[in-house]
Amino acid sequence: DGGITQSPKYLFRKEGQNVTLSCEQNLNHDAMYWYRQDPGQGLRLIYYSQIVNDFQKGDIAEGYSVSREKKESFPLTVTSAQKNPTAFYLCATEKRQGGYGYTFGSGTRLTVV
Amino acid sequence: AQSVTQPDIHITVSEGASLELRCNYSYGATPYLFWYVQSPGQGLQLLLKYFSGDTLVQGIKGFEAEFKRSQSSFNLRKPSVHWSDAAEYFCAVAAYSGAGSYQLTFGKGTKLSVIP
Repeated sequence: DGGITQSPKYLFRKEGQNVTLSCEQNLNHDAMYWYRQDPGQGLRLIYYSQIVNDFQKGDIAEGYSVSREKKESFPLTVTSAQKNPTAFYLCATEKRQGGYGYTFGSGTRLTVV
Repeated sequence: AQSVTQPDIHITVSEGASLELRCNYSYGATPYLFWYVQSPGQGLQLLLKYFSGDTLVQGIKGFEAEFKRSQSSFNLRKPSVHWSDAAEYFCAVAAYSGAGSYQLTFGKGTKLSVIP
């Protein structure tokens, strides 16, 4: 079955460390997105990519980085520059040319310890 | 820029009662509108979507939503709530962002609690 795999489900980071969250899809969707979710804040867009080797900053890109070397993969790195990284991170994909909405992964919960 | 407002942060209903979750949007053109549901610790699942045509759309799990252009609203309804409907619900509006993609803007969500 096609879908989106986010790993790991839970991640713990020490202060000052970089961590990378994985997002893999086999839906053959062109666009991929990363959102951050905090209680009461809804979803806030971090980065998105419409095609391979291209990506754009979202509303809260500071302290994050991404790459899109393959259509199937869109990893998110949370750097030490992100001062408050504890949150729930969601990856989504979009089938272009139709406004179909997004398909979401099951998320990664990142906690700074 | 587009925006979505969900006026109710938290709603509690009794099992079997009817439900209406409110959503107001701001967008200059004809909107594409969506409702998603999220269970704790999970991703978002699409309930229904409106593109054009009939303003009353049916979704999964017995939900429906009505698009009212004059009120800039897209409220979600269910005639009889089940305990399993307890979750957080997000309304979203899509704006064309180029290259065939549509960027979704989400409301802050409404948490639904169901009393047995």
